[in-house]
Amino acid sequence: EAQVTQNPRYLITVTGKKLTVTCSQNMNHEYMSWYRQDPGLGLRQIYYSMNVEVTDKGDVPEGYKVSRKEKRNFPLILESPSPNQTSLYFCASSFYRPIVGELFFGEGSRLTVL
Amino acid sequence: GENVEQHPSTLSVQEGDSAVIKCTYSDSASNYFPWYKQELGKRPQLIIDIRSNVGEKKDQRIAVTLNKTAKHFSLHITETQPEDSAVYFCAASMPRAGNMLTFGGGTRLMVKP
Repeated sequence: EAQVTQNPRYLITVTGKKLTVTCSQNMNHEYMSWYRQDPGLGLRQIYYSMNVEVTDKGDVPEGYKVSRKEKRNFPLILESPSPNQTSLYFCASSFYRPIVGELFFGEGSRLTVL
Repeated sequence: GENVEQHPSTLSVQEGDSAVIKCTYSDSASNYFPWYKQELGKRPQLIIDIRSNVGEKKDQRIAVTLNKTAKHFSLHITETQPEDSAVYFCAASMPRAGNMLTFGGGTRLMVKP
């Protein structure tokens, strides 16, 4: 089954404790991206990657890191989480750029930073 | 960068009525406009999209219209059903930023039986 898988789905952590949210897709997509969803603000792009070893900042990259060492994986790293990073996070992928085809989203990861 | 405004933020309709959600965008070079539906607790999924070379596109009960001159596009849902209840997001491409998508703030549609 074609899918984008994120883990963990739910996480409560404390300020400053490094965490990683994993994302994996099995569709051989070149493009992958991370979004955060906050009420009234829609989906805001954090980072994206056009291919292996190629990453770029989105609209709200501060406080986040990513890596793309393999085509299928695109982890999101919070080196020192803060309460304002409490949010619902979505990983997404598409065959090329989102303008070419559908953006496939993962199930989401709800993060709470105390 | 691109700015996408979406209205209304919430919309309540009676089952069988029509629903219209509107979005405006700022970058006149934008040329791709998808709509995503997110049911409660689920992931967003593409329901319809339109490119700048057409003014309207239909798929059964949903349609999207695009007015490039005014830089706005709309989602129309006819004969609404309770399963249409969800959050809907519009988006616009950003040609000056590698054709990434900028999303609107979302509209929560509630269809009352």
